[in-house]
Amino acid sequence: KQEVTQIPAALSVPEGENLVLNCSFTDSAIYNLQWFRQDPGKGLTSLLLIQSSQREQTSGRLNASLDKSSGRSTLYIAASQPGDSATYLCAVYGNQFYFGTGTSLTVIP
Amino acid sequence: DAGITQSPRHKVTETGTPVTLRCHQTENHRYMYWYRQDPGHGLRLIHYSYGVKDTDKGEVSDGYSVSRSKTEDFLLTLESATSSQTSVYFCAINTGQGDLFGGYTFGSGTRLTVV
Repeated sequence: KQEVTQIPAALSVPEGENLVLNCSFTDSAIYNLQWFRQDPGKGLTSLLLIQSSQREQTSGRLNASLDKSSGRSTLYIAASQPGDSATYLCAVYGNQFYFGTGTSLTVIP
Repeated sequence: DAGITQSPRHKVTETGTPVTLRCHQTENHRYMYWYRQDPGHGLRLIHYSYGVKDTDKGEVSDGYSVSRSKTEDFLLTLESATSSQTSVYFCAINTGQGDLFGGYTFGSGTRLTVV
């Protein structure tokens, strides 16, 4: 069974800092990877989707990369803002989606 | 954007009673999913559907059943609710066309408490 790990579980940074969130998975036979954010008491909002033929995706201040051979993905957030405070989840898709347990990010004003 | 709504948003029910949660989509996406989210476990797949009347089990399907009589609606039923089924339930759709993977869109969730 696919195991998805996100380290660290929690992260606190000052506003303006660039940061990297990590996601690792045990089975490299995946097709796609998706990053989500979840605000407290809310659903999941899609941030970036990396399809099977891609290695990275960018949206605004966010950049996600995928290295299937090493079983790793990173989400880079540039110039962090307090509004970025949320839990960030990665999910890998092989024959179904497997989710990590997330990284809780706090950006301090 | 795919429209996906869940109802109810919150529910408190007694142990042993049946409960049905509803997921409704406004587009004709083929694949729909039910997940539960619990602290320390993340999101776990309960059941999914790949078409009208076509459903299959996920990793935590015991005690749950589903039905999909129309493309737009996917129902999750707790046959006899137990306290271990207290959780937040999320519905998701695969936004790809047909069998293509287009990423997931999630509903806002249903917070279920079994007392």
